[in-house]
Amino acid sequence: QKEVEQDPGPLSVPEGAIVSLNCTYSNSAFQYFMWYRQYSRKGPELLMYTYSSGNKEDGRFTAQVDKSSKYISLFIRDSQPSDSATYLCAMSVTVSNYQLIWGAGTKLIIKP
Amino acid sequence: NAGVTQTPKFRVLKTGQSMTLLCAQDMNHEYMYWYRQDPGMGLRLIHYSVGEGTTAKGEVPDGYNVSRLKKQNFLLGLESAAPSQTSVYFCASSYSKRGGPIEQFFGPGTRLTVL
Repeated sequence: QKEVEQDPGPLSVPEGAIVSLNCTYSNSAFQYFMWYRQYSRKGPELLMYTYSSGNKEDGRFTAQVDKSSKYISLFIRDSQPSDSATYLCAMSVTVSNYQLIWGAGTKLIIKP
Repeated sequence: NAGVTQTPKFRVLKTGQSMTLLCAQDMNHEYMYWYRQDPGMGLRLIHYSVGEGTTAKGEVPDGYNVSRLKKQNFLLGLESAAPSQTSVYFCASSYSKRGGPIEQFFGPGTRLTVL
């Protein structure tokens, strides 16, 4: 079993919909949780990060961590065609642990 | 700033050939990484470096070697390419800071096909 599980999709939704992307993990020591966005034929780029449990909001994006369930989510409100990309979750134990553990990525398609 | 650049962007090799992928960063980052990305597998760490002159093995190091002779450059070598090394290779760099996670900055990738 992988340390971090992520549904590869593709997830296809109409423009304007609320999108929910999720990852589950098995290592309870993870404390830092990140979401990277990767456009086709590009490198990933950091979208959001959260520390420990709780929510974090940035514009249309909300990252949520539930450590008791070992489950993290990324919500996208008012989704746009420009949000079409692959979203990868990544986690680490401590801030000084420079080795991230990655999910496989979920491909998201927003239909105009 | 160019950020992280990778050379070449595409390459086709025959089994048994060798090649070197070059990664360069102009952000003065201490840490550099080489990943491979395959469908359904996500990013897998091949080798990484925590500073000039240092390298370490990641999750999938077999068949690859690396060198970090200069802080800004990280080279990935394939001594005898195999079809299983067909993949997209990403280089990344990062820095250490207090109070926040280590954001990794990625290059555009190198698409390698081994026939």
